[in-house]
Amino acid sequence: AQSVTQLGSHVSVSEGALVLLRCNYSSSVPPYLFWYVQYPNQGLQLLLKYTTGATLVKGINGFEAEFKKSETSFHLTKPSAHMSDAAEYFCAVSPNAGKSTFGDGTTLTVKP
Amino acid sequence: GAGVSQSPRYKVAKRGQDVALRCDPISGHVSLFWYQQALGQGPEFLTYFQNEAQLDKSGLPSDRFFAERPEGSVSTLKIQRTQQEDSAVYLCASSSGTGLDNEQFFGPGTRLTVL
Repeated sequence: AQSVTQLGSHVSVSEGALVLLRCNYSSSVPPYLFWYVQYPNQGLQLLLKYTTGATLVKGINGFEAEFKKSETSFHLTKPSAHMSDAAEYFCAVSPNAGKSTFGDGTTLTVKP
Repeated sequence: GAGVSQSPRYKVAKRGQDVALRCDPISGHVSLFWYQQALGQGPEFLTYFQNEAQLDKSGLPSDRFFAERPEGSVSTLKIQRTQQEDSAVYLCASSSGTGLDNEQFFGPGTRLTVL
């Protein structure tokens, strides 16, 4: 079985500050890991994914995440927050064909 | 179309009614997924199709839930005798392949409210 834990259901940062959204997973097999963003009344959009190879993954909108096997973590970061980054973010793990397990999400608020 | 579409976007049902939720995936996408997203939670897997074959339905919460994709394109999620705990956003996603790393493209969801 696999599970995802997102630490902190709400994160608030000032515009221009570092964004750090935490994700820890458990998986019985080497995982594929994903971060999605969801804007109000919209579907989820893929930010980035880790499959194999380089553990530092770069995604869209300046986001990146690092896969740390020893810590079973896949935290999402962005050096400088923008107002348009305010949204809900979901971490997901997919060890089986197609079937993704999602965390409960983190709502990011960006203060001017 | 350009993306995954779902209809209706909003559905209000009285307890005990049957509902049908439609998903139009991106044209040519082989894989199709249904998820249930309760308020304040992440999406939870319901079922998975590869073309017209339903390969995994382990997430369907009860036998009141039924999904089909008869021609390998449009899919319908049917819920019979709806109950209040069925209130959620139902998300559909499609992907072009069958590999683990194929990106899933999500629709906007159908928000179901059962009174």
